[in-house]
Amino acid sequence: SQQGEEDPQALSIQEGENATMNCSYKTSINNLQWYRQNSGRGLVHLILIRSNEREKHSGRLRVTLDTSKKSSSLLITASRAADTASYFCATDSGTASKLTFGTGTRLQVTL
Amino acid sequence: DVKVTQSSRYLVKRTGEKVFLECVQDMDHENMFWYRQDPGLGLRLIYFSYDVKMKEKGDIPEGYSVSREKKERFSLILESASTNQTSMYLCASSPNQNNEQFFGPGTRLTVL
Repeated sequence: SQQGEEDPQALSIQEGENATMNCSYKTSINNLQWYRQNSGRGLVHLILIRSNEREKHSGRLRVTLDTSKKSSSLLITASRAADTASYFCATDSGTASKLTFGTGTRLQVTL
Repeated sequence: DVKVTQSSRYLVKRTGEKVFLECVQDMDHENMFWYRQDPGLGLRLIYFSYDVKMKEKGDIPEGYSVSREKKERFSLILESASTNQTSMYLCASSPNQNNEQFFGPGTRLTVL
């Protein structure tokens, strides 16, 4: 079952612009995570935000969480061509360390 | 660095064959997972294990089985491969302290 739904499905921006991706989920969560996947590769963990946190930063990444709306956003500032990848949100609902992943946003950053 | 390795990057098998996909992690993680990834469907959990010899069904276990005889190794078995099992298979592991998952590079399986 899919818990997270990312929006938009695809995003194309120019280098230097900011990229914002959104994630909506259905049930209550312990935490929400964002992952990145380069084409044909495994996923890499980017950032985790707990249910009692509203905002978190890591380098050029900023994540917000609104538990009342069951939504999160990932902002990548000053994007680079190397940021081109798919980005997934994943929710932890507290069931035996399982995560439920969304369908992802494909980000294309052009020079 | 945590490392999760998968036995093959690409694999081609015939319908009806028995297929083994191996995953090994080197960070003494308790939890291990097998997902398949298909376009438009994201990652779907097939099976996971939270301890040696323990296994739990995920969202789509039909047609698959798993084995975890040692803590570092988690195998996915397709008893009789079918064409609808053509997919990218991703293995992951996580520690009990937090559930950040570390992924292997994936195995792209094609069943003819």
